[in-house]
Amino acid sequence: GQQVQQSPTSLVLQEGENAELQCNFSTSLNSMQWFYQRPGGSLISVFYNPSGTKQSGRLTSTTVIKERRSSLHISSSQITDSGTYLCASASSGSWQLIFGSGTQLTVMP
Amino acid sequence: EAAVTQSPRNKVTVTGGNVTLSCRQTNSHNYMYWYRQDTGHGLRLIHYSYGAGNLQIGDVPDGYKATRTTQEDFFLLLELASPSQTSLYFCASSENSGNTLYFGEGSRLIVV
Repeated sequence: GQQVQQSPTSLVLQEGENAELQCNFSTSLNSMQWFYQRPGGSLISVFYNPSGTKQSGRLTSTTVIKERRSSLHISSSQITDSGTYLCASASSGSWQLIFGSGTQLTVMP
Repeated sequence: EAAVTQSPRNKVTVTGGNVTLSCRQTNSHNYMYWYRQDTGHGLRLIHYSYGAGNLQIGDVPDGYKATRTTQEDFFLLLELASPSQTSLYFCASSENSGNTLYFGEGSRLIVV
């Protein structure tokens, strides 16, 4: 089945710096989502991006199917961006999402 | 935006105890899910349902039962709670399989 690897495991930035989060998949994928989890809190969908590039404000997601990877770019990071970012993917022929273990982002003032 | 509400938010029970976690979604989504989140394991699917009266087994179903009583309500039951079930539980819904998931706020369960 699908396995999802996220990197880095944790990341500390100064406010204003950019962040690049990576997600790699073991098999071909047909669904790909990024979620943001507040410290100790709920998960919020950030992107549904099975292929190509999508942008929302300071966030950009790029999924390259043939390379089995997706990235989340955060530009001009803010303290409120701190939290955990999880990616999830379903392999071809399946709908079930498999989650990565997340990247814990800390943005310092 | 979809609204998914879980209760209780926090629960402490003893080993062997009986626990019911409740979830209600108000966007008429077909699919509902129960996940558990543990350090080092990410989110793992326990049970899911694609409609009232339907129940499907996820990846880690042992020790859990679930019931979808209505389109809106999905319950997770632990009839003989064990310390290994100490976890953060999330309910989620989606319009159909493979669509964007909408999560509840989570229910933290501690089994002592």
